[in-house]
Amino acid sequence: DIQMTQSPSSLSASIGDRVTITCRASQSISKYLNWYQQKPGKAPELLIYAASSLESGVPSRFSGSGSGTDFTLAISSLQPEDFAAYYCQQTYNVPLTFGGGTKVEIK
Amino acid sequence: QVQLVQSGAEVKKPGASVKLSCKSSGYTFTSYGITWVRQAPGQGLEWMGWINAYNGNTNYPQNLQGRVTMTTDTSTSTAYMELRSLRSDDTALYYCARGTVQLGLVRWFGPWGQGTLVTVSS
Repeated sequence: DIQMTQSPSSLSASIGDRVTITCRASQSISKYLNWYQQKPGKAPELLIYAASSLESGVPSRFSGSGSGTDFTLAISSLQPEDFAAYYCQQTYNVPLTFGGGTKVEIK
Repeated sequence: QVQLVQSGAEVKKPGASVKLSCKSSGYTFTSYGITWVRQAPGQGLEWMGWINAYNGNTNYPQNLQGRVTMTTDTSTSTAYMELRSLRSDDTALYYCARGTVQLGLVRWFGPWGQGTLVTVSS
C-alpha cells in the first residue's frame, strides 16, 4: 500500500498568513494527488485534484503543486473560513489512501 | 446542483449487518463512480472502496474484502453499501462521494454526501 505522510499534523496561523502543508508519498504517484478540506461536523470537500487543478468554486488563494512523491498545498492569505482539517489523498493505485490530516488552527 | 443524500443514522449490535444508501441527483449517475469513505470518531479518513455506476465493477481494500458489498440501482440513481459482521471499531461516520473515473479508476471525490453515523454497540 502507498503510505501518505502529511506535515505538520497541526499548525497555528493568523488571518492573512501564507500557509503551506506538505504531503509525501511512499512511492511515486505521478500527479494522482488530491486535497480535501473538512470543517468540524461537516463532510470533506474537494479543493485540489490531480495535484494542481483547482476544483470549481474553490477560492484562488488555494493552490497545489508537486509530482512524484512530494506535494504541497498552499493557502496564500488565510481567511477565517479556512480554519479546518486538510487531507491529502493518492489515487494512483488501490487501495486509495489518505494522509493523516493537518489541522489548521487560529493563532 | 449535484447532490448526494445519505440515509439516516443506524445503531447495530456486534455481528449484525448494516446497509446504507446514497441517492444522487443533478448529474448523469452512470457517468461517474460512487466511493465510500469512513471516519471513526476523532480520526482520519479511510477509503472503503468504490463502484463504477456504469458497469457495476467494484474494488475494495484488502482489509474489508469479504465484509463489504457495494451496489447501485441506476433506475433511482442510488448507491448502497452493506457492511457485515459489524464490530465496535466499525463505529464511524460513513460518507459516500461521487467519483470521477479516469483510466479505469476513480481519481477524485466530490461532492460528498452528508454522512451517516453507524454505531456498533452491545
